[in-house]
Amino acid sequence: GQQLNQSPQSMFIQEGEDVSMNCTSSSIFNTWLWYKQEPGEGPVLLIALYKAGELTSNGRLTAQFGITRKDSFLNISASIPSDVGIYFCAGQLGAGGTSYGKLTFGQGTILTVHP
Amino acid sequence: DTEVTQTPKHLVMGMTNKKSLKCEQHMGHRAMYWYKQKAKKPPELMFVYSYEKLSINESVPSRFSPECPNSSLLNLHLHALQPEDSALYLCASSINHAGDYNIQYFGAGTRLSVL
Repeated sequence: GQQLNQSPQSMFIQEGEDVSMNCTSSSIFNTWLWYKQEPGEGPVLLIALYKAGELTSNGRLTAQFGITRKDSFLNISASIPSDVGIYFCAGQLGAGGTSYGKLTFGQGTILTVHP
Repeated sequence: DTEVTQTPKHLVMGMTNKKSLKCEQHMGHRAMYWYKQKAKKPPELMFVYSYEKLSINESVPSRFSPECPNSSLLNLHLHALQPEDSALYLCASSINHAGDYNIQYFGAGTRLSVL
């Protein structure tokens, strides 16, 4: 089945620093999603990407859908303490195949921000 | 409004108990999902309902029994669970299951402990 390699597994940064994380896949995806999960909560959608090469921003967050459709990155600028959480990438295949419509998740990046 | 509501938020049950988890959405979504999530791991898909019919069962043990009474509600009935079933159970919904641009929105989850 499809696998997503998400890196880094964890990050310890100082408030104000920029953060970058990425996901790579052995398969092509039609959609890339980035979620953030805080303790005791469900994943919250941050950014959705639909086209190869697409670059999308949401406040201090920027994400890109790789040209090959096999990778995506998420950048967070000027981190603040409330950015703490686990960030998951997720890819979704297009039409056809038994995995159509399913999300494939990366293993997550645990972000810790020191004030 | 992208709200998926799950109840209860916490549940403790013995291995001989029968309990149910509930999920509700009023976004007009026709696909609903159950996921199981262990600490600091990505969600694992259990079931998918599409237009109130069970579309995907990821080989989940029969002690978990899903039910979709109508397009807004999703239940997960639990019986004779094992301690290793303790986890965060997440519900999600999307416009439909197999279309493109199909974003899944998650609830806050039910934290289940099996004693």
